[in-house]
Amino acid sequence: GNSVTQMEGPVTLSEEAFLTINCTYTATGYPSLFWYVQYPGEGLQLLLKATKADDKGSNKGFEATYRKETTSFHLEKGSVQVSDSAVYFCALSGYRDDKIIFGKGTRLHILP
Amino acid sequence: EPEVTQTPSHQVTQMGQEVILRCVPISNHLYFYWYRQILGQKVEFLVSFYNNEISEKSEIFDDQFSVERPDGSNFTLKIRSTKLEDSAMYFCASSLAGGPGSYEQYFGPGTRLTVT
Repeated sequence: GNSVTQMEGPVTLSEEAFLTINCTYTATGYPSLFWYVQYPGEGLQLLLKATKADDKGSNKGFEATYRKETTSFHLEKGSVQVSDSAVYFCALSGYRDDKIIFGKGTRLHILP
Repeated sequence: EPEVTQTPSHQVTQMGQEVILRCVPISNHLYFYWYRQILGQKVEFLVSFYNNEISEKSEIFDDQFSVERPDGSNFTLKIRSTKLEDSAMYFCASSLAGGPGSYEQYFGPGTRLTVT
């Protein structure tokens, strides 16, 4: 079945450091790929998405590129801020599927 | 900005008791979902609901679980006889239409259920 694997956390970085959170997926067909973020005390929020191969999703300085050849969707940001501290979830939905399949989440701590 | 709300934020119950978790989806949305996250594990899909019926459910969603949209605003998840392993964070979500690639699912802040 479809699944998502993302790097274990927590990840601790200093402010202005470069961020990469790795995510790989297993799916049949052509899934849509997502990154969700959860700030403390809040629900899951869609950060960015990509719906076909080679698409790049971007939002708030974060980027991820849909790589079908490596079945990956790594999250990157060039210069993180303290306010980026949160839990990040990689996720997918299958073609014609309504449900979202999530990874375990990666907790990110940014130190000032 | 419209948001999905959930009540209560934390529910403690004894094993074998019935619980009802409540959600108010975004008002013009037509698709509704429940997910759960056991501590330290993945967020898992439980059920999707559209046009007053279940459109899909996972193997987790057994006969102990039920969902209902009792009026035009609430969407509830009922667990008839709770077990220790039902302890988790339960997230409600709603979307304007199906297909998360096209229509974003908006999530509530979650209800933490603790079964003792």
